[in-house]
Order: sequence, then structure tokens, then C-alpha cells
Amino acid sequence: ELKVEQNPLFLSMQEGKNYTIYCNYSTTSDRLYWYRQDPGKSLESLFVLLSNGAVKQEGRLMASLDTKARLSTLHITAAVHDLSATYFCAVDMSGDTGTASKLTFGTGTRLQVTL
Amino acid sequence: NAGVMQNPRHLVRRRGQEARLRCSPMKGHSHVYWYRQLPEEGLKFMVYLQKENIIDESGMPKERFSAEFPKEGPSILRIQQVVRGDSAAYFCASSRGIISYEQYFGPGTRLTVT
Repeated sequence: ELKVEQNPLFLSMQEGKNYTIYCNYSTTSDRLYWYRQDPGKSLESLFVLLSNGAVKQEGRLMASLDTKARLSTLHITAAVHDLSATYFCAVDMSGDTGTASKLTFGTGTRLQVTL
Repeated sequence: NAGVMQNPRHLVRRRGQEARLRCSPMKGHSHVYWYRQLPEEGLKFMVYLQKENIIDESGMPKERFSAEFPKEGPSILRIQQVVRGDSAAYFCASSRGIISYEQYFGPGTRLTVT
């Protein structure tokens, strides 16, 4: 059974600081997603990482994927209060079929950025 | 282009009643997924459907839960004889299924069982 683990589960950081969230998964997969969820809201797609070595950046967030290590990271640069939310990684096990299959989600990292 | 739509957004049911949750996928999407999120937890896959077919229901509880995606109309997740443990947020996602890998999530239905 595929397991997806994130750490830390909770992160409190000051504005302006940098930090990294880690996502480990237990079996081979070439597709990994990062989502953001605000309290009581739905999931907002942040990044889709499709291959080993993929790196994507949007604003203060940068995501990378190492399929050999089965590890993805979400790096936060110079955090601002608006980034406070819960961040989930998710793994897609559909392989090369070209169709999306079920996602297995990590436990989530609750990020709190303080002034 | 409207996003994934779910209704109702909030649903309150007494123990033993039935709950029906509806999901209309994005235009052009023929694949629908249902996930459940318990308080303070991540999302758990329940079922994956295409029009008139259940592709994968490995995450569905064996009893009381069923899902359909008819040729016409929205996908429906049905929970019979609800219990307090069914209280959760239920999210629907859709994808094109072919070529596109991304799932787009709806706003969710928050079910409360009293």
C-alpha cells in the first residue's frame, strides 16, 4: 500500500524566513502534486511535478521532485503571512497510462506565518 | 468555464437518514473522483468514475456508500443510514482523463450528522 508522509506536520515561522516541507512516498511514482488548502476551503493546485529532477517555482514557493529518493520538497522563501495555510502533497499511481488515477495524499503540513 | 460544482455545500442529517451529494465536473471532463476529509486529516480516496462506469471503488466503505455517474446529470455520492462517523468534508474532483494529468477539485460538501 502506498504511503505518503509529510514533515513537519505543523510549522510556525516568522515572516521573512525560509523553510522546507518534505514529502516522502513509499513506492515508485513519476507524478507528484502540491496543493494548498485554507481553513474550510477546497484545494488549490500549486504544482504538478511530472519527472525526476523537475523543479517549479511560483512566487515564494518552489517545488522539486527526486523520484529515485522518492522525495519531493516545497521550499518557502521569505515567508509572508498570506502563505499561512495547510499544504498537501499527493502522489498519482497511474504510471504511464496517460490518464489520471486516484491520488494518495500526505498528512498535510499546517503552516503558520507570524508577523 | 465554470469549475467543478458541488451541492449542497453544507448538509445536516440525523443519524439513520440518507445523504446525497452531487458533483458536476468541469466542462469537457469525463472522469470524476470522490475524496473524504475527516477533521484535521488529509484527503482519502473513495471512488473513481467515468460516465456510467465505476473504475475504482477501492476506497469506498463496503456498506451504506454508493456512487454513480450517469450518462446525463451529475455524479452522486449516496450515503445510507448515516452515522456520526460519516461527518466529514466530501470533495469531488474531475479530470479530462486522457492526456491531462491534473485533477481539479470542487468546493466540497460538509456533512454533519447529528
